Amino acid sequence: QKEVEQDPGPLSVPEGAIVSLNCTYSNSAFQYFMWYRQYSRKGPELLMYTYSSGNKEDGRFTAQVDKSSKYISLFIRDSQPSDSATYLCAILSSNTGKLIFGQGTTLQVKP
Amino acid sequence: DAGVIQSPRHEVTEMGQEVTLRCKPISGHDYLFWYRQTMMRGLELLIYFNNNVPIDDSGMPEDRFSAKMPNASFSTLKIQPSEPRDSAVYFCASSPRQGASEAFFGQGTRLTVV
Repeated sequence: QKEVEQDPGPLSVPEGAIVSLNCTYSNSAFQYFMWYRQYSRKGPELLMYTYSSGNKEDGRFTAQVDKSSKYISLFIRDSQPSDSATYLCAILSSNTGKLIFGQGTTLQVKP
Repeated sequence: DAGVIQSPRHEVTEMGQEVTLRCKPISGHDYLFWYRQTMMRGLELLIYFNNNVPIDDSGMPEDRFSAKMPNASFSTLKIQPSEPRDSAVYFCASSPRQGASEAFFGQGTRLTVV
């Protein structure tokens, strides 16, 4: 079993839609949860991170963590064509520094 | 700082040849990660270093793969001999410290083994 599972999609939505991206993880040793965004032919870039259960908002983006279920989500409100990218969840162990990623979900927002 | 620098950006090689990928992390960063990305498997962690010391190489697929970090400003990932299934984009990333710190990625090296 992979330590982080993520549906690769692809996911296609119309502009303005609410997007929900999800991951599950298996190891409770990981304390930090991140979302990276990757545009075509570029390296991933950090979008958001959180370390506690609950929600964290940043503009149109909301990261949600449920540690009891080992489930993490990213919601995008009022999605824009510029949001079209691959979104990767990531988990980090602060004890070891190990950072691992889900497979990534490819999102296309159509105008 | 110019960010994480990887070279070459593209590499095409014949099966059986040795391939060396290079990475210069951001100055002052303590952690360096090597990842491999494919459509089928996503972004896989191969190995990571803390202060130039390899911490976890459990993601290295085979003995054909090796990585070194001789100093804080340079790391290599070597594949010898290369095989077509090694074709992928290889990313290097660095982060400044343990804990919730952002990992900064290079542009990647696109490797094609024919």
